[in-house]
Amino acid sequence: QVQLQESGPGLVKPSQTLSLTCNVSGDSINSGNYYWSWIRQRPGKGLEWIGYIHDTGSTIYTPSLRSRVTMSVDLSKNQFSLRLTSVTAADTAVYYCARYFYLFDFWGQGTLVTVSS
Amino acid sequence: EIVLTQSPDFLSVTPKEKATITCRASEPVGSSLHWYQQKPDHSPKLLIKYTSQSISGVPSRFNGGGTGTEFTLIISGLEVEDAATYYCHQSVSVPQTFGQGTKVEIK
Repeated sequence: QVQLQESGPGLVKPSQTLSLTCNVSGDSINSGNYYWSWIRQRPGKGLEWIGYIHDTGSTIYTPSLRSRVTMSVDLSKNQFSLRLTSVTAADTAVYYCARYFYLFDFWGQGTLVTVSS
Repeated sequence: EIVLTQSPDFLSVTPKEKATITCRASEPVGSSLHWYQQKPDHSPKLLIKYTSQSISGVPSRFNGGGTGTEFTLIISGLEVEDAATYYCHQSVSVPQTFGQGTKVEIK
């Protein structure tokens, strides 16, 4: 069974960088079959796709966050990561990582990141 | 960007009744429309893929249909455990987008 687990700081100060990692088990990121995604959900709101990365390093980001987002993969650790720079309170959300192949079939449990001084 | 609009935003249904949720897309998405169920404090779970294809382990009371720009999720014989928010998602184009969600309450 594929499992994903997000990790990272739960509190980030405004203007700083949010960094999260997603550890994947039960599947190899290196399989080449999937894209590995980040999705967020602001408090009480719906789902917002942030972007995804392939094991080749190819990335696609949502236009509204493209200038602040970087995703990367660490094949040796079977992990992928998200960096979001210059955060504000509007970036406070539960951040999910998920496996994507034209749909999101496995999701992590999510991690709440609060942006506050 | 393809905008997905769900209706209604909120649905209150008695157990064993039927619930129908509609998802309208601002452009045709073919059959690349999927449904997810999210229970409070849980991550979303894939419910229906490619408009109407079932997912292993999902009860048969969940059914999807539609084409082009209008899609439906029908939950027949609602059970208490179906209380959740339901989202549609299109994967035909980037950026990936979701509907705003429909919260289903069991009376």
